[in-house]
Amino acid sequence: GAVVSQHPSRVICKSGTSVKIECRSLDFQATTMFWYRQFPKKSLMLMATSNEGSKATYEQGVEKDKFLINHASLTLSTLTVTSAHPEDSSFYICSAMGLAGVIQYFGAGTRLSVL
Amino acid sequence: RKEVEQDPGPFNVPEGATVAFNCTYSNSASQSFFWYRQDCRKEPKLLMSVYSSGNEDGRFTAQLNRASQYISLLIRDSKLSDSATYLCVVNSGNTPLVFGKGTRLSVIA
Repeated sequence: GAVVSQHPSRVICKSGTSVKIECRSLDFQATTMFWYRQFPKKSLMLMATSNEGSKATYEQGVEKDKFLINHASLTLSTLTVTSAHPEDSSFYICSAMGLAGVIQYFGAGTRLSVL
Repeated sequence: RKEVEQDPGPFNVPEGATVAFNCTYSNSASQSFFWYRQDCRKEPKLLMSVYSSGNEDGRFTAQLNRASQYISLLIRDSKLSDSATYLCVVNSGNTPLVFGKGTRLSVIA
């Protein structure tokens, strides 16, 4: 299957720090990527849809100024958690739609811990 | 009504048991259906697609009933390694895919 690479896998930072997470599609071009957040023992929550060359579409309740998304190329989307606080501690996962536009492939996720 | 509904479980079954998960979806125009598996603290991974004719992959069998808007996953001869959360996923033609909240399975020795 298609490969999606996400980096870093783990971040521990101080409150107030901004954290950037990268999501790359390694063997296909992804015009659309998705960012999810998952709290312990909870279900996946879609945060935003990242569109190459245009502004991201955020889900209700997700602050666009807090979670900055950039999708500058067909293989890279980034999520920046600005001025992170302990309540932002979570598992962030990106995904990309495969070439046929049907199956989503996920990155390995980034575990963020804000102290 | 939620778009994709699943019994959250947990299902606790002994090794070797057969276990079935069900899922219903609300959008009758949905086009594609999948089961994903998510291990603890890991990302979801595609387990199998689901077709109207039913499909089987080893110990796993998936069925789709469009009339009832119902999807199932059957796991035979459960292994300890099958312990995970199983996500029912539907493509309604609008990206992204719609994920159910998942059903937790624990296979016990």
